[in-house]
Amino acid sequence: DAKTTQPTSMDCAEGRAANLPCNHSTISGNEYVYWYRQIHSQGPQYIIHGLKNNETNEMASLIITEDRKSSTLILPHATLRDTAVYYCIPLAYSGAGSYQLTFGKGTKLSVIP
Amino acid sequence: KAGVTQTPRYLIKTRGQQVTLSCSPISGHRSVSWYQQTPGQGLQFLFEYFSETQRNKGNFPGRFSGRQFSNSRSEMNVSTLELGDSALYLCASSTGTGTYEQYFGPGTRLTVT
Repeated sequence: DAKTTQPTSMDCAEGRAANLPCNHSTISGNEYVYWYRQIHSQGPQYIIHGLKNNETNEMASLIITEDRKSSTLILPHATLRDTAVYYCIPLAYSGAGSYQLTFGKGTKLSVIP
Repeated sequence: KAGVTQTPRYLIKTRGQQVTLSCSPISGHRSVSWYQQTPGQGLQFLFEYFSETQRNKGNFPGRFSGRQFSNSRSEMNVSTLELGDSALYLCASSTGTGTYEQYFGPGTRLTVT
């Protein structure tokens, strides 16, 4: 499974863009990059995923470098409710149609008023 | 569409007892995965069930078991509870096919005394 490296913590001013980096230099060609977040005392929440192209949805944008060794999750206008731990997860295929999410330690994002 | 529900939300058990946790996935989802979250080990994958069959399993002892019913509801059982089993147990549902997003429930907080 690909290993990931994320900053332990980051701060972002409310209303500004939050850019969360992730290094996944050992990712294999068919592994997607998934992003989840976990707000305190809640279950993780799916944000976005991508393979090699940049992706955007109503929550965030995902920028994946051309060599696929790193990616950046962008929250365009961070609010206090975006304070959470953000996980970057290469999705590993476990055979028989099964995928397994392997959570690391993630980045604790604090949005500051 | 109703989200993932887990019951009970909180549970206190004594060492040596057994416990059964329940998870009802999103309607139409056929896959249920279980995770354990502790402060020391973070989020760890327990197992996944798809169409009533265990399709994937993490590195947990045999005291941890599960099953899935024909309506996709799943139960997780832990026998001979140990103090170290105190954790937040999360289940996640997904379609189970293709590359899929997992939708997590609020979790069951188990305390073993």
